[in-house]
Amino acid sequence: TQLLEQSPQFLSIQEGENLTVYCNSSSVFSSLQWYRQEPGEGPVLLVTVVTGGEVKKLKRLTFQFGDARKDSSLHITAAQPGDTGLYLCAVVSNFGNEKLTFGTGTRLTIIP
Amino acid sequence: NAGVTQTPKFRILKIGQSMTLQCTQDMNHNYMYWYRQDPGMGLKLIYYSVGAGITDKGEVPNGYNVSRSTTEDFPLRLELAAPSQTSVYFCASSMTSGRGQYFGPGTRLTVL
Repeated sequence: TQLLEQSPQFLSIQEGENLTVYCNSSSVFSSLQWYRQEPGEGPVLLVTVVTGGEVKKLKRLTFQFGDARKDSSLHITAAQPGDTGLYLCAVVSNFGNEKLTFGTGTRLTIIP
Repeated sequence: NAGVTQTPKFRILKIGQSMTLQCTQDMNHNYMYWYRQDPGMGLKLIYYSVGAGITDKGEVPNGYNVSRSTTEDFPLRLELAAPSQTSVYFCASSMTSGRGQYFGPGTRLTVL
């Protein structure tokens, strides 16, 4: 079973539109991270959320951690072609180890 | 700071050959990780290290070995390469995993 489910798997929208992608699990996490990966490159950390209900903003990107710390969403306002990429969520388990588990990602394409 | 550097960028191996993927970080991070990313998939943890002299298995360690003789370097060794090891390999480092990981540019490996 997949620890982290990301949806949708693929998303293609026009420039200027808004979108939301999701990261869901049945497990509780101490923190959750979002990364963006562009073709041919390694993932780049966007944000870390640690508190249930926490909302963080990074320019046009808004990240929310669910109240129960089992899920998260990423909302992009007025999408731009530069937002194109693979968006990955990742979590550290509550079991005291330091390993990250990644979701399978949402591949986002913004059409100019 | 160069961040996390990986060599080589590309490599083609024949079945049964061996090779070492190099990874170096100059951020004085304690934690280092090796992941593989298969097409359409997220990242799977191969091995990780919490400090010089300490390594531990991740989710998919079979067919690989690592060592951590210094804080900066974390090489990944493939013995007896198999087609199933065709993938993109990413090295990452962090001060602690809860604060996010910094990734290298990746090594694209093909085993024929």
